Amino acid sequence: DADVTQTPRNRITKTGKRIMLECSQTKGHDRMYWYRQDPGLGLRLIYYSFDVKDINKGEISDGYSVSRQAQAKFSLSLESAIPNQTALYFCATSDSQWGGELFFGEGSRLTVL
Amino acid sequence: AQSVTQPDIHITVSEGASLELRCNYSYGATPYLFWYVQSPGQGLQLLLKYFSGDTLVQGIKGFEAEFKRSQSSFNLRKPSVHWSDAAEYFCAVGAGGGYQKVTFGTGTKLQVIP
Repeated sequence: DADVTQTPRNRITKTGKRIMLECSQTKGHDRMYWYRQDPGLGLRLIYYSFDVKDINKGEISDGYSVSRQAQAKFSLSLESAIPNQTALYFCATSDSQWGGELFFGEGSRLTVL
Repeated sequence: AQSVTQPDIHITVSEGASLELRCNYSYGATPYLFWYVQSPGQGLQLLLKYFSGDTLVQGIKGFEAEFKRSQSSFNLRKPSVHWSDAAEYFCAVGAGGGYQKVTFGTGTKLQVIP
């Protein structure tokens, strides 16, 4: 099994619907992240969490919310999806060492019609 | 704020040829630098990273990168490309402070032809 698991891997939804993307990890890392990837834009940070009680906004958090249910689980929600949120979403983890490697899930492709 | 520029969106090389992918960064102090690779349908995997010390860094899969402070560059190289190297490559810079913010470049897509 993968160390960082994302569900669903693919999702098509309609404008205005609520969507949740889930991430779980078995690496035992404290830090978890949600990134969004768009062609030509690279990866941009949506939210990050350093532990269960710590949630922080990234550079593009508008329209998104997150929940850290446990050390191993970090969910991303789109309360009312819009077409420009169509993208590939990645969950990542890292340990608490400065400069630690990011470990990525395989991504969740979201299409909002 | 830090930034990363990967000037080449797409590169095509022949199998067995050498490869150099360019990366320039902007940051006021010595940054932490990374190269990640993304194979089709996969997440990103770390190839190598530079924190300090020797400016020539060796990574996995035969890749290396050289940190040049004077040029604000961290170019990725491989002497002989294999067809399995076809992927998208991302340069990233990590900055300091209480939170280690990692900023990614826009990526370079590598195509390998027989």
